[in-house]
Amino acid sequence: DAKTTQPNSMESNEEEPVHLPCNHSTISGTDYIHWYRQLPSQGPEYVIHGLTSNVNNRMASLAIAEDRKSSTLILHRATLRDAAVYYCILRDVTDTDKLIFGTGTRLQVFP
Amino acid sequence: NAGVTQTPKFRILKIGQSMTLQCTQDMNHNYMYWYRQDPGMGLKLIYYSVGAGITDKGEVPNGYNVSRSTTEDFPLRLELAAPSQTSVYFCASSAGQGSSPLHFGNGTRLTVT
Repeated sequence: DAKTTQPNSMESNEEEPVHLPCNHSTISGTDYIHWYRQLPSQGPEYVIHGLTSNVNNRMASLAIAEDRKSSTLILHRATLRDAAVYYCILRDVTDTDKLIFGTGTRLQVFP
Repeated sequence: NAGVTQTPKFRILKIGQSMTLQCTQDMNHNYMYWYRQDPGMGLKLIYYSVGAGITDKGEVPNGYNVSRSTTEDFPLRLELAAPSQTSVYFCASSAGQGSSPLHFGNGTRLTVT
């Protein structure tokens, strides 16, 4: 079973910030938090990852709760191109790396 | 780098036929994965490999087989195609565990009729 839970869908208006939540209450100390997104008719693409500290890159920011049991992907200014399904997954550093995806959050962006 | 390349892009099979979905990566990644995605659904892990000669089952391995004779290639074999295997298949690779991002191919859309 997926080790993360996300809302099925969210909506945003263009140029507004979007906060996509992810719960991972059973996270272990060696799990990295990864986010991917899947645009229509494409394969998933990497967005960002983190372990304990908040992370920023050109695509998004990742805010990780102090207890690491939840995280939030932040798109600072949503564009129509950000409409996609966003997946939050955990990647362990130990030997077993059976990567299980949940159902993700479908983000709709309105003009 | 081409990244992760999947062939073919589309395929229609008749029930009972066999085929191999090809996946190759040129990034020298040890970890490779096969996922399927049914219409409107999330990704389901079929098989994965942590290095040449090593494979293991994922969530939905029934009806599929894999091999990993080289680092670059990770083919997925369907022996007796069934309508339930109609799906989009994605191959992915990564350099390692933990902090290493997954790189996905563009998928193979398979229809079994």
